[in-house]
Amino acid sequence: ILNVEQSPQSLHVQEGDSTNFTCSFPSSNFYALHWYRWETAKSPEALFVMTLNGDEKKKGRISATLNTKEGYSYLYIKGSQPEDSATYLCAAPPNAGGTSYGKLTFGQGTILTVHP
Amino acid sequence: DTEVTQTPKHLVMGMTNKKSLKCEQHMGHRAMYWYKQKAKKPPELMFVYSYEKLSINESVPSRFSPECPNSSLLNLHLHALQPEDSALYLCASSLRQTNTEAFFGQGTRLTVV
Repeated sequence: ILNVEQSPQSLHVQEGDSTNFTCSFPSSNFYALHWYRWETAKSPEALFVMTLNGDEKKKGRISATLNTKEGYSYLYIKGSQPEDSATYLCAAPPNAGGTSYGKLTFGQGTILTVHP
Repeated sequence: DTEVTQTPKHLVMGMTNKKSLKCEQHMGHRAMYWYKQKAKKPPELMFVYSYEKLSINESVPSRFSPECPNSSLLNLHLHALQPEDSALYLCASSLRQTNTEAFFGQGTRLTVV
């Protein structure tokens, strides 16, 4: 069973603050790391799929970095807005083997609340 | 159309009932997934279909029976469920069963009484 961990569990910030949180995963046999945003009463929405060590991806005010050698990814939100309030989940397949494709294990998530 | 549509949104069923959850996508995705999510826990993978064939079954009890009648539809047939099966059931799809982002439906909130 793959161990995907996220921290912190929850985060409260003020509108305009920048914030970041962490996803850690086993570095051996790394294949890919997914980030999803899940707003209450909506569907989880894919933010990024990252595969290369040192990769950095950006989508508007949200960006993510990946370190496969040490087994972590950071998600950054610049200038948080109330609409960024959601649960942010990271997920990874257990290894690079073909039978593991699509077999995502999710972390527990970071619940972000942005106060106006 | 980038939506994954799940029906029904809510379902209450007795332990002797038979019901089905439905999932539909029209994005041309050839991989479809069922996940189960209990309160305050992350989604857990149940089944993966790739090109309409069952690819992964995560040791799910046989009272859950998946079916993929065509490339756009995914069903989950439920029979003789237990109260502990009450959960949010999420369907997802992706272009292929590989390293691509998944598109999720809003889920079916199932309560077994």
